[in-house]
Amino acid sequence: GAGVSQSPRYKVAKRGQDVALRCDPISGHVSLFWYQQALGQGPEFLTYFQNEAQLDKSGLPSDRFFAERPEGSVSTLKIQRTQQEDSAVYLCASSPWAGHGSGANVLTFGAGSRLTVL
Amino acid sequence: DQQVKQNSPSLSVQEGRISILNCDYTNSMFDYFLWYKKYPAEGPTFLISISSIKDKNEDGRFTVFLNKSAKHLSLHIVPSQPGDSAVYFCAAKRNYGGSQGNLIFGKGTKLSVKP
Repeated sequence: GAGVSQSPRYKVAKRGQDVALRCDPISGHVSLFWYQQALGQGPEFLTYFQNEAQLDKSGLPSDRFFAERPEGSVSTLKIQRTQQEDSAVYLCASSPWAGHGSGANVLTFGAGSRLTVL
Repeated sequence: DQQVKQNSPSLSVQEGRISILNCDYTNSMFDYFLWYKKYPAEGPTFLISISSIKDKNEDGRFTVFLNKSAKHLSLHIVPSQPGDSAVYFCAAKRNYGGSQGNLIFGKGTKLSVKP
């Protein structure tokens, strides 16, 4: 596609529900990132995929958060037993590059999925 | 502890004047810096970047300056236009190992350019 597509754009969940957020990166992009942006804050790194391999998941805040990218394209971020502190915008970003070099640094972001946990 | 700091939550500038957005960082291992612009209900979009081996990078109306000794960078927009009104995020990156490092963002500065 022309850009990074995320769905749903808005999700309201009751505390304790499981949610799944989807990211369609730009076709052919090797690298895929998930970020969490709380209100009034900058995006914070959650996890990184290079193709289907999850190379870094150091930013996932708890074991309730799980991400996958089984075929190296579409990715899903799953949050189990949602809590109120999980309310945030979840941003997906992709890059055509991997490894070092200036091109690897520029990420294209989707519009995000806004999660509200009641 | 915040590694990338944008200490001004907001900035208001008259159309045609210069906008200067500031960013400080604490990690001397950062080797690449980026500015992103964000409109409401949209994702951040890349604006301009600079490698740590340079002290200035210019792209049209946008110039980024890097002062490594002070661990400070700034974004200059000249002349400012009403369409520049958005939240600007400073981001930094440290390459490590053999894989791509992630971006560390500041909290953002909301720029308002008044006609």
